[in-house]
Amino acid sequence: AQSVTQLDSQVPVFEEAPVELRCNYSSSVSVYLFWYVQYPNQGLQLLLKYLSGSTLVKGINGFEAEFNKSQTSFHLRKPSVHISDTAEYFCAVNPNRTNFGNEKLTFGTGTRLTIIP
Amino acid sequence: DGGITQSPKYLFRKEGQNVTLSCEQNLNHDAMYWYRQDPGQGLRLIYYSQIVNDFQKGDIAEGYSVSREKKESFPLTVTSAQKNPTAFYLCASSPQWERVQHFGDGTRLSIL
Repeated sequence: AQSVTQLDSQVPVFEEAPVELRCNYSSSVSVYLFWYVQYPNQGLQLLLKYLSGSTLVKGINGFEAEFNKSQTSFHLRKPSVHISDTAEYFCAVNPNRTNFGNEKLTFGTGTRLTIIP
Repeated sequence: DGGITQSPKYLFRKEGQNVTLSCEQNLNHDAMYWYRQDPGQGLRLIYYSQIVNDFQKGDIAEGYSVSREKKESFPLTVTSAQKNPTAFYLCASSPQWERVQHFGDGTRLSIL
């Protein structure tokens, strides 16, 4: 079984400052990793994903994340945030088992990012 | 435009009543999922289906039922056995060749 821990439930950041949202996971098998963003009263939108290859993954809206296998982490970063980045961010994992079809995603509890003008 | 449509956006349920949430996708995706979202708890999987006429229970299936008669449709029924149904419900789908799940805009269910 997999689990995901997002240590910070809320993160306030001043506009144009950098931000890091932390995600740690636990799994007995190798995993695929995802970050999703949710704006109020909407569904989730994919920000970025790590499937294989380079451990530094770039996504939409200027976000990037780095997969660190030894620390079982997949922290999300942005060098300069904007008011429009105010949203809830979810980290998710999916077991890397190629002999199955689509596997279940396990989500963290989310981090609410608030940008202060 | 391809996507996932959930309806209605808001739904109210009376005590002892069953209600059905609709989820339709025109992305030709094989797999579909239902999640429940509560504040501070993230998303929890209710049911999922990888092919037509087949579905599996997720982590919190009690009090819910689903059907998958068509590839495009995966309705969720919240039965009267679900004692705490107030939540935001999200439907998602994904193709066989990709691990990314695509989400609808959700249905907010409340108790009258």
